[in-house]
Amino acid sequence: VIWMTQSPSLLSASTGDRVTISCRMSQGISSYLAWYQQKPGKAPELLIYAASTLQSGVPSRFSGSGSGTDFTLTISCLQSEDFATYYCQQYYSFPRTFGQGTKVEIK
Amino acid sequence: EVQVVESGGGLVQPGGSLRLSCAASGFIFSSYWMTWVRQVPGKGLEWVASIKQDGSQKYYVDSLKGRFTVSRDNTKNSLYLQMNSLRAEDTAVYYCAGGGAFDIWGQGTMVTVSS
Repeated sequence: VIWMTQSPSLLSASTGDRVTISCRMSQGISSYLAWYQQKPGKAPELLIYAASTLQSGVPSRFSGSGSGTDFTLTISCLQSEDFATYYCQQYYSFPRTFGQGTKVEIK
Repeated sequence: EVQVVESGGGLVQPGGSLRLSCAASGFIFSSYWMTWVRQVPGKGLEWVASIKQDGSQKYYVDSLKGRFTVSRDNTKNSLYLQMNSLRAEDTAVYYCAGGGAFDIWGQGTMVTVSS
């Protein structure tokens, strides 16, 4: 099983801030990492796949980086609609695993 | 429009069974790995099971201990999750998702296991 450590669990920020979320794997997964955004009462939505590829329709203020065991999601200029919970997920091997989630809240 | 729609959730007693369905449209269902993901209200996402395009490979989270079975019918563009010996800890919203990275998600169906 590939264990994932996502941090922080809670991030307080203001509109316009640059924020980063980290995801660390217990073993290397090449670039088989995805990031999702979930808003209350809604299904998750794919933001980034292959660690750094932006899903179609996702604003360019979102970016992903990393490979192997350490990955980062960056939101360059936080907008009001970005306050949500974010999850990383590896699809390198089974069982698939998700990070614990990072709630981005208004400071 | 690409979409998947889950159904079959509801209230069931501990030890009971339930079969979830996921109807796909707007994409070539038979070309996609399909997956069930669940989420206890207020908690994080948990991968449950995945099935290969032709149904020849299936994977499950270890904690299920053989109680759930994933299947698909490509002629009907449908994914299923047969859940047996249900426990209170299986209470969650169950999502159907498609893709290697999950680029297709349904709205979820709530399963409540309670007496």
